Amino acid sequence: KQEVTQIPAALSVPEGENLVLNCSFTDSAIYNLQWFRQDPGKGLTSLLLIQSSQREQTSGRLNASLDKSSGRSTLYIAASQPGDSATYLCAVGVLGNEKLTFGTGTRLTIIP
Amino acid sequence: DAGITQSPRYKITETGRQVTLMCHQTWSHSYMFWYRQDLGHGLRLIYYSAAADITDKGEVPDGYVVSRSKTENFPLTLESATRSQTSVYFCASSEGLAGAGPYNEQFFGPGTRLTVL
Repeated sequence: KQEVTQIPAALSVPEGENLVLNCSFTDSAIYNLQWFRQDPGKGLTSLLLIQSSQREQTSGRLNASLDKSSGRSTLYIAASQPGDSATYLCAVGVLGNEKLTFGTGTRLTIIP
Repeated sequence: DAGITQSPRYKITETGRQVTLMCHQTWSHSYMFWYRQDLGHGLRLIYYSAAADITDKGEVPDGYVVSRSKTENFPLTLESATRSQTSVYFCASSEGLAGAGPYNEQFFGPGTRLTVL
């Protein structure tokens, strides 16, 4: 059974710093990995999707990497801003499985 | 508006009542999903649908019923609501299944917060 872990559960950093969020998964037979952000009381917004054949994806100040062999993905946020404050979730799509398996998220607070 | 919408956004009901949550998407995506989000459990799949008139169970389907007569709509019905069904419900859609192809990004609606008294 695929398990997805995100550590730490919460993170606070001063504005302007670069930061890394971590995602670990137990079954390396994934087809893709998706990063989402969730603002309080809101739905999930897709940030980046990395296909299993890719090592990384970039969108603006965000860069996501994938290392299938070690079961890890990182989301790098450059020059953090208060608007980046949200909960960040990663989710993996596994071969032969109809659903995404979600991590429990990292709640990020950017301190002005 | 383009995208995926859910209604109502907030609902309070009583134990034993029937409740239907609506989901509508404008992308003509084949797949649609219903998740529930609870503290301590994260997001869990309730039901999904591969196309009109094709639905299948996820990991927590008990107490829920779905239908999909049109590609763009995927309503979720709680036939007899229980307190344990108090949760935030999210609808999502994608072109394909997460594990069936390398690029099947899922897009989520804004959610429905359901309280069962």
